Amino acid sequence: DGGITQSPKYLFRKEGQNVTLSCEQNLNHDAMYWYRQDPGQGLRLIYYSQIVNDFQKGDIAEGYSVSREKKESFPLTVTSAQKNPTAFYLCASSMGQTIQETQYFGPGTRLLVL
Amino acid sequence: GENVEQHPSTLSVQEGDSAVIKCTYSDSASNYFPWYKQELGKGPQLIIDIRSNVGEKKDQRIAVTLNKTAKHFSLHITETQPEDSAVYFCAASKIGYALNFGKGTSLLVTP
Repeated sequence: DGGITQSPKYLFRKEGQNVTLSCEQNLNHDAMYWYRQDPGQGLRLIYYSQIVNDFQKGDIAEGYSVSREKKESFPLTVTSAQKNPTAFYLCASSMGQTIQETQYFGPGTRLLVL
Repeated sequence: GENVEQHPSTLSVQEGDSAVIKCTYSDSASNYFPWYKQELGKGPQLIIDIRSNVGEKKDQRIAVTLNKTAKHFSLHITETQPEDSAVYFCAASKIGYALNFGKGTSLLVTP
């Protein structure tokens, strides 16, 4: 099956800990994205990558880091500098390198702080 | 930057009735307007999109209309069914820029 997978489904973070959220796609899409979703809020863009080894900050990049070493993978690290990390994190991908193209979302990872 | 406002935040309709969700945008250069449906605990799924060179697009029970002059676009769902219950998000973007999402509408279709 083609699609976007995110793991884990739930993730718990302790104070001062960095955690990494996985996102993998087998759609052969060039672009990948990370969004954060809070209750009653729309999706806010954290980072995006239009091509391997390149990525751009979104609206709320502070406290997060990403890498794009492979076309199919775009992991997100929530660092200890992110003071309010509890949220639902969504990964998406789109076919071309144009950021405006239709985006397809993964099932999400819910991050909770212990 | 682009500001997308979505109304209403919650909407309850009876099965078989129509539902309409409206969004306004601020940047007149925006030219791509997708709608996403998100079921509880899942990622959003694209249900329909429209580009600024057309005023209306239909896909079975779902339609989207765009008024570029007024800078608003709407999602219309006819003959609603309980499985239409979900949160719906609109978004807008212009060439070279990321999607800006509305805050969502929670639609409840009651039998």
